[in-house]
Amino acid sequence: DVKVTQSSRYLVKRTGEKVFLECVQDMDHENMFWYRQDPGLGLRLIYFSYDVKMKEKGDIPEGYSVSREKKERFSLILESASTNQTSMYLCASSFIPRQGPYEQYFGPGTRLTVT
Amino acid sequence: RKEVEQDPGPFNVPEGATVAFNCTYSNSASQSFFWYRQDCRKEPKLLMSVYSSGNEDGRFTAQLNRASQYISLLIRDSKLSDSATYLCVVNMAGGYQKVTFGTGTKLQVIP
Repeated sequence: DVKVTQSSRYLVKRTGEKVFLECVQDMDHENMFWYRQDPGLGLRLIYFSYDVKMKEKGDIPEGYSVSREKKERFSLILESASTNQTSMYLCASSFIPRQGPYEQYFGPGTRLTVT
Repeated sequence: RKEVEQDPGPFNVPEGATVAFNCTYSNSASQSFFWYRQDCRKEPKLLMSVYSSGNEDGRFTAQLNRASQYISLLIRDSKLSDSATYLCVVNMAGGYQKVTFGTGTKLQVIP
């Protein structure tokens, strides 16, 4: 059974703090993704990674950075948290199939509140 | 125009009813299509892929209409447990497995 875990379910941080969100998958997936989900806006891709130390910007990378030092771990970093980064953050992983995108497996999410 | 558009609902249907959702996409070069299900306060999970010829999985039928650029999901004999938000997911041509999610259609099955 594929398992994607995230370090925290709920997190409250102050404006200006540096925030680390951790994601770990146990299925040896090449791809890993960070999304944020907001009411009325759906899931939006922040960053993704297709290999160790490789990363690509998604649709809304501003204010975020990522790190992938090991295949199973993908970290999202908010360098200086702001109130507009209050959101549900979802990590996902997938294989790289021969053709087309493959099923993405999601972690349970981290609800981040920035005050 | 949004890349992927869905009617947010909610669709309130009685148990046993048949309900259908559509999802339109803007990029005619889109290659792969999926329906995900997201329960309240839970993560999304793959419900089914959508194939060109249409496909069925039990009470669920997915169809693709490339000419009109939409996909559909039909649920027959609705169960209370079908209550969830259904997300349309589209892979735009190119890129490393990057997909675009619709904002979802909420279904509430009522007894």
